[in-house]
Amino acid sequence: RKEVEQDPGPFNVPEGATVAFNCTYSNSASQSFFWYRQDCRKEPKLLMSVYSSGNEDGRFTAQLNRASQYISLLIRDSKLSDSATYLCVVLYNFNKFYFGSGTKLNVKP
Amino acid sequence: EAGVTQFPSHSVIEKGQTVTLRCDPISGHDNLYWYRRVMGKEIKFLLHFVKESKQDESGMPNNRFLAERTGGTYSTLKVQPAELEDSGVYFCASSPPGANTGELFFGEGSRLTVL
Repeated sequence: RKEVEQDPGPFNVPEGATVAFNCTYSNSASQSFFWYRQDCRKEPKLLMSVYSSGNEDGRFTAQLNRASQYISLLIRDSKLSDSATYLCVVLYNFNKFYFGSGTKLNVKP
Repeated sequence: EAGVTQFPSHSVIEKGQTVTLRCDPISGHDNLYWYRRVMGKEIKFLLHFVKESKQDESGMPNNRFLAERTGGTYSTLKVQPAELEDSGVYFCASSPPGANTGELFFGEGSRLTVL
């Protein structure tokens, strides 16, 4: 079983749409959670951390449900520039990062 | 400030040959990680250095892979002899010393193609 599972997509949405991604993780002892963004043939970059109380950064909202072991990312008012692969990342044992395989988002004009 | 740099950006070699990938982390980052992404799969952990010490090498696939970080600065990852299944993108990432905030700074990756 994979440590982190994500729907690979692709999610094809029009500009302005709201889209949500989920991810589940298997290790209940995981400590920290993140969403990274990876553009085509580029390196992953941190988008935002995910806190237990939920957190928002502009059009992006991340939530964590420890009981069900899932993490979500909501993007409101999608822009063309949001097109990318979104990676769910879980930190375990303070130094071991596990990556999901990524969810691809295509925002169309 | 320079980011994480990796060399080469792309390497094409034949099965049985040797390749050495290099990573220069951000200056002052004690933590250095190697990851690999095989086509269509998730990014997978290979190993983690803290300065020059191997903190965790549980992700290294087999003894054909050797990573070093002499002096605690740049790191090399050697594959010898390369096999077809070694093809993929090898990412290096670094992070500052101390408690892990979760922000890994990635290089652009070294794409390895084994023919």
